[in-house]
Amino acid sequence: AQSVTQLDSQVPVFEEAPVELRCNYSSSVSVYLFWYVQYPNQGLQLLLKYLSGSTLVKGINGFEAEFNKSQTSFHLRKPSVHISDTAEYFCAVSSWGGGSNYKLTFGKGTLLTVNP
Amino acid sequence: EAGVTQFPSHSVIEKGQTVTLRCDPISGHDNLYWYRRVMGKEIKFLLHFVKESKQDESGMPNNRFLAERTGGTYSTLKVQPAELEDSGVYFCASSQDLTGVEAFFGQGTRLTVV
Repeated sequence: AQSVTQLDSQVPVFEEAPVELRCNYSSSVSVYLFWYVQYPNQGLQLLLKYLSGSTLVKGINGFEAEFNKSQTSFHLRKPSVHISDTAEYFCAVSSWGGGSNYKLTFGKGTLLTVNP
Repeated sequence: EAGVTQFPSHSVIEKGQTVTLRCDPISGHDNLYWYRRVMGKEIKFLLHFVKESKQDESGMPNNRFLAERTGGTYSTLKVQPAELEDSGVYFCASSQDLTGVEAFFGQGTRLTVV
């Protein structure tokens, strides 16, 4: 079984401030890791993903995330946020092996609110 | 290229009624997934189609939910009879490959059972 914990349900920040959204996961098999974003009244959009290779992954809109296997974390960061980054962010994991079949397991989401 | 399309965007029905949600995946995507987010909870996997076959339906909550994918194209998710706890947002996603690493999501259908 796999699980995802997003430690903060809400993160308020001021415009141009840096932000880190935390995500920890657990899985007994190999994983792929994802961050999705849902802007108001829109569907889920893939921000970035980690499949293998370099542990630092860059995504769209200036976001990046770092895979830390020893800490089972995949925190999302952006050095300077904009008002338009206000959205709900979801960390997700999929795994294979041991009977798993790539289905996504999501965290509960973190609502990022960027204030002027 | 059209993305994943879901109909309707919103649905409000009474307890005991039937509702059918539809998902049109991206053309050529053999893999189609249904997920659901109940308010305040995480998004949860319901089932996975490969073409017209159910690959994994381990997330379907009970036998009031019936999913079909006619001819391996669009999919429907029927809830009959609907209960209050079925309220939530139902997402559909499709991908070309089995790993789902490039899964594209629709906008979701917000279902409210009153």
